[in-house]
Amino acid sequence: DIQMTQTPSSVSASVGDRVTLTCRASQAVRGYLAWYQQKPGKAPNLLIYDTSTLQPGVPSRFSGSGSGTDFTLTISSLQPEDFATYFCQQAKDFPPTFGGGTKVEMK
Amino acid sequence: QVQLQESGPGLVKPSQTLSLTCSVSGGSVSSSSHYWTWIRQSAGRGLEWIGRVFVSGSTTYNPSLESRVTISLDTSKNQFSLRLTSVTAADSAVYYCVRDREGRADFDYWGQGTPVTVSS
Repeated sequence: DIQMTQTPSSVSASVGDRVTLTCRASQAVRGYLAWYQQKPGKAPNLLIYDTSTLQPGVPSRFSGSGSGTDFTLTISSLQPEDFATYFCQQAKDFPPTFGGGTKVEMK
Repeated sequence: QVQLQESGPGLVKPSQTLSLTCSVSGGSVSSSSHYWTWIRQSAGRGLEWIGRVFVSGSTTYNPSLESRVTISLDTSKNQFSLRLTSVTAADSAVYYCVRDREGRADFDYWGQGTPVTVSS
């Protein structure tokens, strides 16, 4: 299985901050990388797929980039509703695998 | 708007079988564009993909669970189901039914999740 590693495990930030989250795959995933947002007690919500394509309805302050094994999710200006846990997921090989998540907390 | 809703027992005894059903509305499990998937989440194992089923009946399972898992479709009820045999405490998790994004291995619609505890 492809192992997905997210760093940091948590980040403290303030409204308006630019936040960058990192995801690393144990082998190249050819751009088949998705990001999800999860709030407490809720299911994950797809934000970005294929590394950088925003799911319809996702605000443009979210962006994704990367290639090969290294990927980032950037929130350009953190909003109050963005405090949540973010997961990356590789969609290249079966079984699909998820990172352990990065929790974005209020500073 | 596609909606998925899990149902089933919240408590299962060790060595018994966990059975969950997902009811789909606003979409059809007979669609040839999507696979229907089960994913679970626990504090210890994180998010774990269990397996998927297609309208043809074709299934793909996580090798780590394959010997214990069955996923099936009921097109007449627009539902799909999960059976996991010989459960242990390690199978305690929130179980989500999920739709993939048009045959891709990422996931655009999720049920709310149902917690399952394995305990005597």
